[in-house]
Amino acid sequence: VLTQSPGTLSLSPGESATLSCRASQNIRDSYVAWYQQKPGQAPRLLIYGTSMRATGIPDRFRGSGSGTDFILTISRLEPEDFAVYYCQQSSRSLPFGPGTKVEI
Amino acid sequence: QVHLVESGGGVVQPGGSLRLSCAASEFTFSNFGMHWVRQAPGKGLEWVAFIQYDGSKMYYADSVKGRFTISKDNSKNTLYLQMDSLRPDDTALYYCAKDPNPYDFWGGYFDQWGQGTLVTVSS
Repeated sequence: VLTQSPGTLSLSPGESATLSCRASQNIRDSYVAWYQQKPGQAPRLLIYGTSMRATGIPDRFRGSGSGTDFILTISRLEPEDFAVYYCQQSSRSLPFGPGTKVEI
Repeated sequence: QVHLVESGGGVVQPGGSLRLSCAASEFTFSNFGMHWVRQAPGKGLEWVAFIQYDGSKMYYADSVKGRFTISKDNSKNTLYLQMDSLRPDDTALYYCAKDPNPYDFWGGYFDQWGQGTLVTVSS
């Protein structure tokens, strides 16, 4: 089971966001991916392998962490970054967290 | 640019069946495993099923095991999801998603997504 915090993050453009994802257990050899979803759109892969940026993702998105605690950091928020962010673990059943909404 | 287009969604009564399709283009479909992921209205994401690149192995979430069947036709570049014994809690937007690992077991994440097709199970 993955939990994400906070549920909602209220920030202004130019500020930085720190999103947390915690796994209920440490599963060996598992990694975390992060997705961005805007209203009416499909999710978009941002980060895979815990810290690798997907193709075309700007370097203001940074993934980190290990074990049971993972972080997505968004530096210098742009207007297009306001969205819902999901973490997802590479373990059996490929679970997702409930999401963090980053709002203006 | 990878292109995934889902179709086949609609309204179905509880206990009914539906078959979803996902037409793939702009990549070598036969080299990659594929997933279905769903999202209930206003809710989060749930992985549903995975099929290996050659269709030889399939894996399912416990919530759909025994009711849903994933398949792929590499000659038609199309992924399918046969959904039987549908329940109201199967109501969701169903996305097909590409696995990043060619010729291998799943990569553990989803690197390309379609726009989804809506399934509503209601009497």
